[in-house]
Amino acid sequence: QQQVKQSPQSLIVQKGGISIINCAYENTAFDYFPWYQQFPGKGPALLIAIRPDVSEKKEGRFTISFNKSAKQFSLHIMDSQPGDSATYFCAATGSGNTGKLIFGQGTTLQVKP
Amino acid sequence: DSGVTQTPKHLITATGQRVTLRCSPRSGDLSVYWYQQSLDQGLQFLIQYYNGEERAKGNILERFSAQQFPDLHSELNLSSLELGDSALYFCASATRNSPLHFGNGTRLTVT
Repeated sequence: QQQVKQSPQSLIVQKGGISIINCAYENTAFDYFPWYQQFPGKGPALLIAIRPDVSEKKEGRFTISFNKSAKQFSLHIMDSQPGDSATYFCAATGSGNTGKLIFGQGTTLQVKP
Repeated sequence: DSGVTQTPKHLITATGQRVTLRCSPRSGDLSVYWYQQSLDQGLQFLIQYYNGEERAKGNILERFSAQQFPDLHSELNLSSLELGDSALYFCASATRNSPLHFGNGTRLTVT
């Protein structure tokens, strides 16, 4: 019940394309869903986050879509660029503690020029 | 740059040994979190300290312990090290319910 399942494990997209990464959770008490981006040799960095009172949040080329009934949320990267090549992690928490996160297994994105 | 500083960047040690990892949080952040990142387990929350007090505990082994000092820096102590403890250890800091800011990690290799 505490797991967050992320797919796909890896993704290759052409420059300018749309990258889509999906996550699913079981615990209905989860109420904070961030996405983190990690480059090699660096720590994860917050990309965008959503709470379940909205179904979509957009920041620049990054959009989170949230489906509360299906217990799923996804990250869409529009107009993907080679600089977006990184590992992406979804996460969730419901403890009222936005730092105590349960992470998905990660998706390695490669954007080809 | 997240503002979170972790030292050392790399650590190589032998099984059975003890090591200490250090973290300086962002200026003004009272909470420090420790995470372990390994290939098989992914990113896992270990423990949180808030203003010197333990606030939350995750999948932290009994051989591991942490503390946060009055100047808010934190140390993660790993003892009786096993090969399976080889991983990246991240520290992150935050103010109350603000997003986490991660350091660049300490890569621990146990041989």
